[in-house]
Amino acid sequence: GDSVTQMEGPVTLSEEAFLTINCTYTATGYPSLFWYVQYPGEGLQLLLKATKADDKGSNKGFEATYRKETTSFHLEKGSVQVSDSAVYFCALSDPVSSGSARQLTFGSGTQLTVLP
Amino acid sequence: ETGVTQTPRHLVMGMTNKKSLKCEQHLGHNAMYWYKQSAKKPLELMFVYSLEERVENNSVPSRFSPECPNSSHLFLHLHTLQPEDSALYLCASSQAAGGNNEQFFGPGTRLTVL
Repeated sequence: GDSVTQMEGPVTLSEEAFLTINCTYTATGYPSLFWYVQYPGEGLQLLLKATKADDKGSNKGFEATYRKETTSFHLEKGSVQVSDSAVYFCALSDPVSSGSARQLTFGSGTQLTVLP
Repeated sequence: ETGVTQTPRHLVMGMTNKKSLKCEQHLGHNAMYWYKQSAKKPLELMFVYSLEERVENNSVPSRFSPECPNSSHLFLHLHTLQPEDSALYLCASSQAAGGNNEQFFGPGTRLTVL
């Protein structure tokens, strides 16, 4: 079945540091890939997405590139801020395996704390 | 209202109570989902409704009963819950067919079972 593996947290960085959160996946078909962010006390918000190989999703200074050859979708940001402190979830949607259920398969989440 | 809304945002209930969680989406979607998020556990998909028909029920105990009266509304009826059911319950919506299944989430209901 489909699965998403994320880098274990928690991750603690100083403000303006470079961020990478690793995400790799296994899927039956050609999935769409997503990063969601969850701020304290809130639901999940879509951060960025990529729907085919070599696509780069970007938003709010975050980027991730869909790498089919390494089955990866690593999240990066060049300079993090305190306000980026949140839990980050990698997810995929595989139309081959999810069928009419249209499920997302989530990773376990990575807690990021940015210190001033 | 825009996006996906959930009420109530917080709920405290005893094990013998009956309560309902409500979700409403204003995005014109036709698929809706209930997820359970517990501390230190992965996000758990509970139920999926596509075109108002339940298409997924991930071995959820019968004390949780979903209802989808139309494509914009989704309920989760709660009865005789256990303390381990305390969690954040998230609702999401998406387009059932085509597209990339980008799901939009509500803010969640924080449920505490005493």
